[in-house]
Amino acid sequence: SQKIEQNSEALNIQEGKTATLTCNYTNYSPAYLQWYRQDPGRGPVFLLLIRENEKEKRKERLKVTFDTTLKQSLFHITASQPADSATYLCALDMDNTDKLIFGTGTRLQVFP
Amino acid sequence: DADVTQTPRNRITKTGKRIMLECSQTKGHDRMYWYRQDPGLGLQLIYYSFDVKDINKGEISDGYSVSRQAQAKFSLSLESAIPNQTALYFCATSDSGTVNNEQFFGPGTRLTVL
Repeated sequence: SQKIEQNSEALNIQEGKTATLTCNYTNYSPAYLQWYRQDPGRGPVFLLLIRENEKEKRKERLKVTFDTTLKQSLFHITASQPADSATYLCALDMDNTDKLIFGTGTRLQVFP
Repeated sequence: DADVTQTPRNRITKTGKRIMLECSQTKGHDRMYWYRQDPGLGLQLIYYSFDVKDINKGEISDGYSVSRQAQAKFSLSLESAIPNQTALYFCATSDSGTVNNEQFFGPGTRLTVL
């Protein structure tokens, strides 16, 4: 069955460092992958999309990579800030139908 | 005003009761979705609708039904609620014409079935 794995353990880092979150998937050939941010008690908010033919995408302090051979995406936040503390979800397009399958998310905590 | 609204925001009900969760959007999007979120399981797709006359089952549709009353309204019903339907429910919308295919989520409805 299709599976998306994100590190279920919280990632704790110091302010100013780069946070790197991992999303691994199996049994998929997604046309694209998205990353969302979710704060406690709120709905997810879209951050970035990367397509299967793209290796890297950047937006301000955010960078996403996509390796379709390894079936892995990495999400980086550079110069992290306490305000970046949240849960980050990756989501894959199911068979190019715009139906998303979400990972369980990784909670990021940035300490001052 | 919020672009995607959900009512109610919180609901406590008893086993066997019929419950309806409502979602409205002012974004003019053609696509709408219902998800549930459980701790440790992430978001799971219940139903989705790509236009008013299109309704499709998601990963976990058993025990649920939906109605797309208009482009802006998509409601989720639990015909006979059971305790394992206790969860956080999210409605989302998207526009088929956008490049990023991003989904916009409502604030969520926390449902407790006793």
